[in-house]
Amino acid sequence: EPEVTQTPSHQVTQMGQEVILRCVPISNHLYFYWYRQILGQKVEFLVSFYNNEISEKSEIFDDQFSVERPDGSNFTLKIRSTKLEDSAMYFCASSAGQAKRGYTFGSGTRLTVV
Amino acid sequence: KQEVTQIPAALSVPEGENLVLNCSFTDSAIYNLQWFRQDPGKGLTSLLLIQSSQREQTSGRLNASLDKSSGRSTLYIAASQPGDSATYLCAVGNNRKLIWGLGTSLAVNP
Repeated sequence: EPEVTQTPSHQVTQMGQEVILRCVPISNHLYFYWYRQILGQKVEFLVSFYNNEISEKSEIFDDQFSVERPDGSNFTLKIRSTKLEDSAMYFCASSAGQAKRGYTFGSGTRLTVV
Repeated sequence: KQEVTQIPAALSVPEGENLVLNCSFTDSAIYNLQWFRQDPGKGLTSLLLIQSSQREQTSGRLNASLDKSSGRSTLYIAASQPGDSATYLCAVGNNRKLIWGLGTSLAVNP
């Protein structure tokens, strides 16, 4: 069964550093998403991406964050100047069609900011 | 604003029991509802997807129902096994994203 692949599985970074989280969505999917889950809290929507542009972003997704599809297969989330409160599990997801087809999630990247 | 609530927060049962996990949502204007399983520190595995026009979906020992008008979904697990121990998350889909509950942490004891 097709999978969404995320790398790395775990990243530790110093406060103030930039990190890039990588995702390879399912190849024929058109919609891409990032969600995050702070330990003990609900999963939260960050951003959705379609046709090489952001289609929606949450209040969390401020200027510190950016997304990019640098080639035909990768989808990245960049976090600039990381803060302690950015420590969370970050999930990438993809969907074949907007919402109706459901979402396939990757196994996540655990980001720890120290 | 859509809010998703899951009850109970935690559940511990002996192996073999049939059990029901509950999910409620405040806005009935949804596209679909998806149930996920999350093992500790791990990713999100989709279990069942119910479209807004459907009443239920089944996969093996799992059955999910949806009552959109009352804002409720249930996940029924038949003949529970220790391997079912995990957190079960309910997520409601609008046309652009998923809104999540906090989950039910299930422990099935041998």
